[in-house]
Amino acid sequence: NAGVTQTPKFQVLKTGQSMTLQCAQDMNHEYMSWYRQDPGMGLRLIHYSVGAGITDQGEVPNGYNVSRSTTEDFPLRLLSAAPSQTSVYFCASSYSPYPPIGYGYTFGSGTRLTVV
Amino acid sequence: GQQLNQSPQSMFIQEGEDVSMNCTSSSIFNTWLWYKQDPGEGPVLLIALYKAGELTSNGRLTAQFGITRKDSFLNISASIPSDVGIYFCAAPGGSQGNLIFGKGTKLSVKP
Repeated sequence: NAGVTQTPKFQVLKTGQSMTLQCAQDMNHEYMSWYRQDPGMGLRLIHYSVGAGITDQGEVPNGYNVSRSTTEDFPLRLLSAAPSQTSVYFCASSYSPYPPIGYGYTFGSGTRLTVV
Repeated sequence: GQQLNQSPQSMFIQEGEDVSMNCTSSSIFNTWLWYKQDPGEGPVLLIALYKAGELTSNGRLTAQFGITRKDSFLNISASIPSDVGIYFCAAPGGSQGNLIFGKGTKLSVKP
């Protein structure tokens, strides 16, 4: 089925470890983004990309890196995990950052990350 | 920055009851979106609104784009157990028109 695929679904890291959260979409969407969801905080934008080779920071970018070498993939890297990064991470994609009429963002099913 | 204030934060209702929730902001938006998140899943778009005063339905769900363009409302009629989840309002508010989200309304339905 077409959509946004995130891996892994669950991950436990030790403080200071690094890891990459994977996100892939097969809808030929130019826009991709990463959000984190914390209890009572809603969804907050970490980084986004409007096309291959173009990335920019969102509301809460510190501690995270991204790159966009292909239209399909948008990995999120944690260089040195901290307990404050314990969260549920969602990748989303769309035709454009401003949703065209009839569309919204398509979200993946999330990665639940715990940093101990 | 721009913020969406969503209320209530949570609701506990009996099956069959109607539900109302809203989203307000001090900023004006040209689009309002409502998403639902099932437990353990990502948010899914329910309704999109593009015009002030617009009233749009999707089954038992009805959403309205406020006339001032600073608010939106979502109503669910005759709730059923599968309505359980978190409902988010969203609007394009970031530097590139990225979606910003309210903090969500968590709905629990007692059979």
